[in-house]
Amino acid sequence: AQSVDQPDAHVTLSEGASLELRCSYSYSAAPYLFWYVQYPGQSLQFLLKYITGDTVVKGTKGFEAEFRKSNSSFNLKKSPAHWSDSAKYFCALVRGGSNYKLTFGKGTLLTVTP
Amino acid sequence: DMKVTQMPRYLIKRMGENVLLECGQDMSHETMYWYRQDPGLGLQLIYISYDVDSNSEGDIPKGYRVSRKKREHFSLILDSAKTNQTSVYFCASSPGTGRNSDYTFGSGTRLLVI
Repeated sequence: AQSVDQPDAHVTLSEGASLELRCSYSYSAAPYLFWYVQYPGQSLQFLLKYITGDTVVKGTKGFEAEFRKSNSSFNLKKSPAHWSDSAKYFCALVRGGSNYKLTFGKGTLLTVTP
Repeated sequence: DMKVTQMPRYLIKRMGENVLLECGQDMSHETMYWYRQDPGLGLQLIYISYDVDSNSEGDIPKGYRVSRKKREHFSLILDSAKTNQTSVYFCASSPGTGRNSDYTFGSGTRLLVI
């Protein structure tokens, strides 16, 4: 079965530091991977996606993610972090087959302290 | 501005009552989705609709049904609501079922079943 794991439920860091949010996946075929951000009380906003090609993908709001097939990871990065980056971040995987459904990880709540 | 609109934003219902959650999109997207979000569980797919009257169960369809009579509208129905259906419900749409499709999410409906 396909799955997405975000092992860190909560990450706290200081403004100006580098952030890296971890995501690992389990999928037998080539994955399509996404990162979404959810600010408090709001809906999910698209950050970036990996389809094929370059393993480092750049997205909105200064974020980038690196796809590593060797360890089935798709970690989200940004440097430096800003207090406005405080939000919940979701990694997601699109499964193949006849139904292309987004499968989400449980999310990582990021707190950036000023 | 392209968007997914959900109504209502907040809803309180008594156990056993019927609940109707509505979702609309103005992008002529073929595919629409209903997810629920619970603390610590990420987003779970309830139903997916590939077009008018072409619906498919997601991962947690029990207790829910859907209706899509027009491409721009997708309704989620809870017949005889239960307290464990208290959740935040998100509607989403995408232009197709291709894995490189981008998904647009609505602002969510917070449902409390008492």
